[in-house]
Amino acid sequence: DQQVKQNSPSLSVQEGRISILNCDYTNSMFDYFLWYKKYPAEGPTFLISISSIKDKNEDGRFTVFLNKSAKHLSLHIVPSQPGDSAVYFCAAMRGFGGSQGNLIFGKGTKLSVKP
Amino acid sequence: KAGVTQTPRYLIKTRGQQVTLSCSPISGHRSVSWYQQTPGQGLQFLFEYFSETQRNKGNFPGRFSGRQFSNSRSEMNVSTLELGDSALYLCASSLGSANTEAFFGQGTRLTVV
Repeated sequence: DQQVKQNSPSLSVQEGRISILNCDYTNSMFDYFLWYKKYPAEGPTFLISISSIKDKNEDGRFTVFLNKSAKHLSLHIVPSQPGDSAVYFCAAMRGFGGSQGNLIFGKGTKLSVKP
Repeated sequence: KAGVTQTPRYLIKTRGQQVTLSCSPISGHRSVSWYQQTPGQGLQFLFEYFSETQRNKGNFPGRFSGRQFSNSRSEMNVSTLELGDSALYLCASSLGSANTEAFFGQGTRLTVV
């Protein structure tokens, strides 16, 4: 049973426009959410995170929105650049007891930004 | 500061053999986690070590094991390799406290033939 779902396997966006990547989760115990970017044959690179006590976190061109009632989060990239083309993973964790717990990943969305 | 270092980057093994992968975390990080990435299953959590103790474990068979040393470096071992163990194995390090980010190494690509 997938606890973190990224229902769009791929997304294509024109350079300069907004990219919106979506993620849904089922476990209400998750209290910390992260987005990672991954290029082929490399490890995931941390992008941005959000705690469940917030509904928005912004870092430069990247903004993550969290809707706890809908168990939904999204990553907005504005403006999109060709270098943003990669696979984006949504991940969730339970921060109980100081443990990293484990990161539960979605299956990823491949973003292609066309010049 | 140096990132997470995994060695080797690539490995080819035959069925039935065993393999050991190594991970050096970011200096000061006490938590090391291991993940398996395959095309069909995505990123799946194997186990987490914190201060030389296994703190969390995913749903993998006992052929997959690990350990952590006093300097926080970690090794992962897979015994009796199967073809289905072919994957990218990723190590992530973090401070280990609640709500902190994990930083990944470049991974070890294991091919079992």
